[in-house]
Amino acid sequence: SAVISQKPSRDICQRGTSLTIQCQVDSQVTMMFWYRQQPGQSLTLIATANQGSEATYESGFVIDKFPISRPNLTFSTLTVSNLSPEDSSIYLCSVDRGDSYNEQFFGPGTRLTVL
Amino acid sequence: EDQVTQSPEALRLQEGESSSLNCSYTVSGLRGLFWYRQDPGKGPEFLFTLYSAGEEKEKERLKATLTKKESFLHITAPKPEDSATYLCAVLSGNTGKLIFGQGTTLQVKP
Repeated sequence: SAVISQKPSRDICQRGTSLTIQCQVDSQVTMMFWYRQQPGQSLTLIATANQGSEATYESGFVIDKFPISRPNLTFSTLTVSNLSPEDSSIYLCSVDRGDSYNEQFFGPGTRLTVL
Repeated sequence: EDQVTQSPEALRLQEGESSSLNCSYTVSGLRGLFWYRQDPGKGPEFLFTLYSAGEEKEKERLKATLTKKESFLHITAPKPEDSATYLCAVLSGNTGKLIFGQGTTLQVKP
């Protein structure tokens, strides 16, 4: 498996501001992913972040709203911009070790509440 | 279209009462079916990966099985600490993406 940490673990933000979430992995990984989990819902993929290339966004998610950085093989950030109450969710990063098992391991999540 | 459906949505068991959770899927080119456990306020914890029909995996009181259309997570003699939401996901060979079901929330009462 992989040990993944996220900062912050939770935050309460005002409408119109932004929050940057950090994801740190204990080993080098090629593929990192960002998911959103809205209250009472399952996980929805926001984007895939590979080191050295632009993040690939899923339908319904745009770079202006969810800019992602991937400066190296152990770190990534997700920014949620121009916050609205509808952005209140848990944001999760995950990694794929890149072996043949295709398994993804998740961080503990960041719980965002927008007032 | 790739899709994952889990049932039931919620399950309440008495301690020691065995049961099964279902995960039905349609996917283009299954590259793996994954079971996760998620506790409230935490990220999903990886449990099992199944790759082909007929495959089975076990871990403590949990056993996962796979057919061409569905997977079962069997819980034998559950304990209160098994209470959690269990998520099923499939990796699509067509899109390369992990598609999650809605989860089954299990409550085990002492």
